[in-house]
Amino acid sequence: GAVVSQHPSRVICKSGTSVKIECRSLDFQATTMFWYRQFPKQSLMLMATSNEGSKATYEQGVEKDKFLINHASLTLSTLTVTSAHPEDSSFYICSAHQMTSGSTDTQYFGPGTRLTVL
Amino acid sequence: GENVEQHPSTLSVQEGDSAVIKCTYSDSASNYFPWYKQELGKRPQLIIDIRSNVGEKKDQRIAVTLNKTAKHFSLHITETQPEDSAVYFCAATPSGGTALIFGKGTTLSVSS
Repeated sequence: GAVVSQHPSRVICKSGTSVKIECRSLDFQATTMFWYRQFPKQSLMLMATSNEGSKATYEQGVEKDKFLINHASLTLSTLTVTSAHPEDSSFYICSAHQMTSGSTDTQYFGPGTRLTVL
Repeated sequence: GENVEQHPSTLSVQEGDSAVIKCTYSDSASNYFPWYKQELGKRPQLIIDIRSNVGEKKDQRIAVTLNKTAKHFSLHITETQPEDSAVYFCAATPSGGTALIFGKGTTLSVSS
């Protein structure tokens, strides 16, 4: 099956620093990747849709200048949390959209990145 | 935009019993409805999905039904086992897009 990797799996940083998270589709090309945020015991909240070669589309309430997304290739999208603060501490999960036979909807998730901002 | 409601938030069953989780959605043009299982600290795993041109789909102990008229879909797990214990999320894909909008999740506990 389709495999999506994410790096790093855990990161602890000081307040005010920036953190970059990578999401890779390992065995397929993903024209679209998605970034989600999940707080403890809560659901996944869509942050943005990342399209290869174009600007990301952010959901309402998500600051695009704070959460920088780059989709450099068909297998790599990055999320940079700039000037991180403790309230940004969360579980960040990416997903990659794979075209399946006759359908366009299957998404596969990365293992997530646990960000802790001190 | 699309809104997905999921019930119940917690569900406890005895091993061998059936479990049913229900979701409703608001966008009548949504056309794809996956279910994910997430264990603590891990990624969501797709367990079954259904598309709007199908009313029911089954995969061993897991089945999903879709009622487009009522805009609701349900996950059915039969002969539950302790390893089925996890958080289950339903989701829907709004029309014209590929992003998933998730329900709030159901914590299923199966006791032996």
